[in-house]
Amino acid sequence: GQQLNQSPQSMFIQEGEDVSMNCTSSSIFNTWLWYKQDPGEGPVLLIALYKAGELTSNGRLTAQFGITRKDSFLNISASIPSDVGIYFCAGQLRDSGNTPLVFGKGTRLSVIA
Amino acid sequence: DSGVTQTPKHLITATGQRVTLRCSPRSGDLSVYWYQQSLDQGLQFLIHYYNGEERAKGNILERFSAQQFPDLHSELNLSSLELGDSALYFCASSKIAGGLVNEQFFGPGTRLTVL
Repeated sequence: GQQLNQSPQSMFIQEGEDVSMNCTSSSIFNTWLWYKQDPGEGPVLLIALYKAGELTSNGRLTAQFGITRKDSFLNISASIPSDVGIYFCAGQLRDSGNTPLVFGKGTRLSVIA
Repeated sequence: DSGVTQTPKHLITATGQRVTLRCSPRSGDLSVYWYQQSLDQGLQFLIHYYNGEERAKGNILERFSAQQFPDLHSELNLSSLELGDSALYFCASSKIAGGLVNEQFFGPGTRLTVL
């Protein structure tokens, strides 16, 4: 099946630092979604991207849809302890909703106060 | 709160047994998706239903089946359970099945433990 390579796998950062993570693929995606999952909870949608080159912010989070449509990144500025969790990227290969989302394996973020 | 509900929250059962997981989508959402998440693993897509009809299948075992009812709630049936079926099972919903927008909203999950 289609693969999304998400990196880094894990990060340990100091509170206040900025964070950057990304997803890449050899395939072209029409939609990129970024989710955050807290332990034992369901993933929560953070940002959705629909156009190549699109840059979207949600508070301290900023995500971009790569111009080649094969990658996306998520930045978190001025991290706080509640940013701890697993961040997943997800992409949709075609416009049709019949195509299931493909998920990356996640980036586990730990914030040291 | 995403608006997607799942029951039960936790389920402990024995190998060989059969269980049913239930999901109610957000109000107005016609699509329901089921995912499996094993320990430290990503989300594996199992199956997608839209307005009662199966639309896409992922790596769903033959021992697993699902359906979506007229009121749009969905059930995932897992039978002949094995130890390796222990995982978190998530349901997600979205408004549509076609078109560009496919934002999926996840429920809180059911944690299945097979002993």
